[in-house]
Amino acid sequence: QSVLTQPPSASGTPGQRVTMSCSGSNSNIGSNYVYWYQQLPGTAPKLLIYRNNQRPSGVPDRFSGSKSGTSASLAISGLRSEDEADYYCAAWDDSLSGVFGGGTKLTVL
Amino acid sequence: EVQLVESGGGLVKPGGSLRLSCAASGFTFSTYSMNWVRQAPGKGLEWVSSISSRSTYIYYADSVKGRFTISRDNAKNSLFLQMNSLRAEDTAVYYCARVPQDQWLELDYWGQGTLVTVSS
Repeated sequence: QSVLTQPPSASGTPGQRVTMSCSGSNSNIGSNYVYWYQQLPGTAPKLLIYRNNQRPSGVPDRFSGSKSGTSASLAISGLRSEDEADYYCAAWDDSLSGVFGGGTKLTVL
Repeated sequence: EVQLVESGGGLVKPGGSLRLSCAASGFTFSTYSMNWVRQAPGKGLEWVSSISSRSTYIYYADSVKGRFTISRDNAKNSLFLQMNSLRAEDTAVYYCARVPQDQWLELDYWGQGTLVTVSS
């Protein structure tokens, strides 16, 4: 069981806006940055959002992140078929360990 | 171009040992902290260990503490993970990943991974 809690699945149709959540605690999300990783089938994870809401260069502005208290969210607007992937949230924990969510599998219908 | 290439994975019996390597190129390896992250077959990501640029700070997941040792050789641009007393639950793809600004879970480049299978 993962320290950060994510819904196992999400879905949407092309063009739609979808959001996925990530719930933690005061020792991780509540006091440290949240990161989001996208993992396309058969590939290594890719940094999608860093420091709660920042996008690395090359990541479309369709992707956005937010954080409030001990929870965080990833939103994808203008959903595209190539967005179908697994999405993981992550945060450092004050116990000096890294924690990931269990991942959300996004299906584009 | 930043590249991280893992090697050293394979099939090992329970209780055995394995040493993973990660060869870095395209950036000044000695100035970056590094991580190992693993992914069991069909499962999610699990943070394994972190090491600072000069090996001053080292952290481990509870699941591997006392069995795994992370190290680096900045002269050879290489990161290592010595894995001892391996268990079936250590079976996973192991990724090395770069930390760009000393925020331990901010991993901007990942290798392609190396598969470790622990089975009799």
